Amino acid sequence: NAGVTQTPKFQVLKTGQSMTLQCAQDMNHNSMYWYRQDPGMGLRLIYYSASEGTTDKGEVPNGYNVSRLNKREFSLRLESAAPSQTSVYFCASSPGQRGNTIYFGEGSWLTVV
Amino acid sequence: SQQGEEDPQALSIQEGENATMNCSYKTSINNLQWYRQNSGRGLVHLILIRSNEREKHSGRLRVTLDTSKKSSSLLITASRAADTASYFCATDPPYQNFVFGPGTRLSVLP
Repeated sequence: NAGVTQTPKFQVLKTGQSMTLQCAQDMNHNSMYWYRQDPGMGLRLIYYSASEGTTDKGEVPNGYNVSRLNKREFSLRLESAAPSQTSVYFCASSPGQRGNTIYFGEGSWLTVV
Repeated sequence: SQQGEEDPQALSIQEGENATMNCSYKTSINNLQWYRQNSGRGLVHLILIRSNEREKHSGRLRVTLDTSKKSSSLLITASRAADTASYFCATDPPYQNFVFGPGTRLSVLP
């Protein structure tokens, strides 16, 4: 099983450029998440999708947009990248929101210069 | 402090020793989970303990939960070099998404 697959693995952007991080899961999970991980900060939730057709803001949504394209895919878009968005981004999924194990992708390293 | 906060921030032990890391949280929870992250990789689920459980075991892992003190501990017995990783607790407060702490970096020296 591939689990949660996210692309690209590494990306360098110039300030103001846009890009989309792609994520797909093959576990038939209802809920999907985008986190960012910064040193000493743990994981912070950017956006989540509790089920297909719904998306909601997490803790740090500013500067990001998401699309739940279908049950499998959940993309994260940076419309105008800023250096503060330099981070490691993780896509994750779970069967549901409550009391479930979260399955993570391998991460996308994004640098904004 | 954050909802989930691990202690210590970093821990170095010798192979074969036991490693204990703690997690404290602020609000009531439905359950608490521990995850491991190897360098450059995603997080991997280790164990889930529900709010009505006090202790749980999985292989060399032992997790305790004290809801009165709002704390949990993860014990790794007979540690190996392969246990070197960061360990995160994730809490599941009512009506909120999972909240992760900043993690404990464990180094197991051969």
